[in-house]
Amino acid sequence: QSVLTQPPSASGTPGQRVTISCSGSSSNIGGNTVNWYQQLPGTAPKLLIYDNNQRPSGVPDRFSGSKSGTSASLAISGLQSEDEADYYCATWDDSLNGVVFGGGTKLTVL
Amino acid sequence: EVQLLESGGGLVRPGGSLRLSCAASGFTFSSYAMDWVRQAPGKGLEWVSAIRDSGGSTYYADSVKGRFTISRDNSRNTLYLQMNSLRAEDTAVYYCAKPTRGITVGLDWGQGTLVTVSS
Repeated sequence: QSVLTQPPSASGTPGQRVTISCSGSSSNIGGNTVNWYQQLPGTAPKLLIYDNNQRPSGVPDRFSGSKSGTSASLAISGLQSEDEADYYCATWDDSLNGVVFGGGTKLTVL
Repeated sequence: EVQLLESGGGLVRPGGSLRLSCAASGFTFSSYAMDWVRQAPGKGLEWVSAIRDSGGSTYYADSVKGRFTISRDNSRNTLYLQMNSLRAEDTAVYYCAKPTRGITVGLDWGQGTLVTVSS
């Protein structure tokens, strides 16, 4: 059971906009910034969003992040087949004194 | 370009030990904290440990506290993870990661090294 709660799956058709939620508590998301990672099949995770809504260079602006209270969301617009991957949210937890990850959301492009 | 190259994984018996290394390049290693994150086969990501840039402060997940030790050699641009008293549940791909800022914010990842604990 992960500290951060994500839906196990999401799906969309090419060109569509999809959102993935990440729910936590005051000890983690409520007091710290959220990061999002993309893991394509058989590869290492890749940083998509840090500090709630910052994109590293090279990440398309189709990917955006937001946070409100103890929840965060990743939005992907103009969905493409290559976006099919697992997506994880993560943040620091002040009670556990460590990083916590969501359980991951498997995105399928129909 | 940030490059992180893990090594040292392999097959080890329960109760055994293993030391992982991560050779870093493409950035000023001594200026950044570093992390280890693992992923069991078919499972999600689990943060393992972090160490500040100077090595003066370390952090561990409860699941490895007392068994794993993170360390670094800034003169060699290398991060280590000493793993003792290994258990079957420690079987995973272990990733070395560099934060964008702070201890754990916005991680850039290496390719990982597989550790298998089995008799």
